[in-house]
Amino acid sequence: DAGITQSPRHKVTETGTPVTLRCHQTENHRYMYWYRQDPGHGLRLIHYSYGVKDTDKGEVSDGYSVSRSKTEDFLLTLESATSSQTSVYFCAISESDSNYGYTFGSGTRLTVV
Amino acid sequence: GDSVTQMEGPVTLSEEACLTINCTYTATGYPSLFWYVQYPGEGLQLLLKATKADDKGSNKGFEATYRKETTSFHLEKGSVQVSDSAVYFCALSGGSNYKLTFGKGTLLTVNP
Repeated sequence: DAGITQSPRHKVTETGTPVTLRCHQTENHRYMYWYRQDPGHGLRLIHYSYGVKDTDKGEVSDGYSVSRSKTEDFLLTLESATSSQTSVYFCAISESDSNYGYTFGSGTRLTVV
Repeated sequence: GDSVTQMEGPVTLSEEACLTINCTYTATGYPSLFWYVQYPGEGLQLLLKATKADDKGSNKGFEATYRKETTSFHLEKGSVQVSDSAVYFCALSGGSNYKLTFGKGTLLTVNP
């Protein structure tokens, strides 16, 4: 299996607190992505990265920021968590050619109370 | 923009029944097409893919053919098993930023 891990796997946090989710890969893939999965919406892209310090917004980026200071790590930060950000978050990686598809992490279940 | 529409579930079948999950897409250019599967409590796994028109992707008894004329990529299996119970996502990749666009997913439940 491709080396991609997400941490934490589960987290409960309070409204208004900052939260950071981590995605770590050992495949040296250039592209990394953060998605959220919600019932009735499938997967929606939050942010993605196409290299160290190179990131861009996806379709649901409001309230989220990302950073990528090393090839292997892609961090997703909720600056001030809200209940609407309760979701399952997936990280994915891909090689330079998307014809290979993505490899996904196991997900982080985040609950904002 | 790019979009993927797949049949809404849930789909419930008996073991050994035939499966078809419809998927159609809208995209500019010539996208690559994928089916992903998500088992309970897990992340998504690539099931099969097709990168050009008339290509057939296949894996684990599942098949899908890239039909450019009908902009479709329907997932089929001749005889499903209980272990095939999962959520199935159709997706496409197009453009230069290597992003995947997903359908909303179809929950399949196979009963013994």
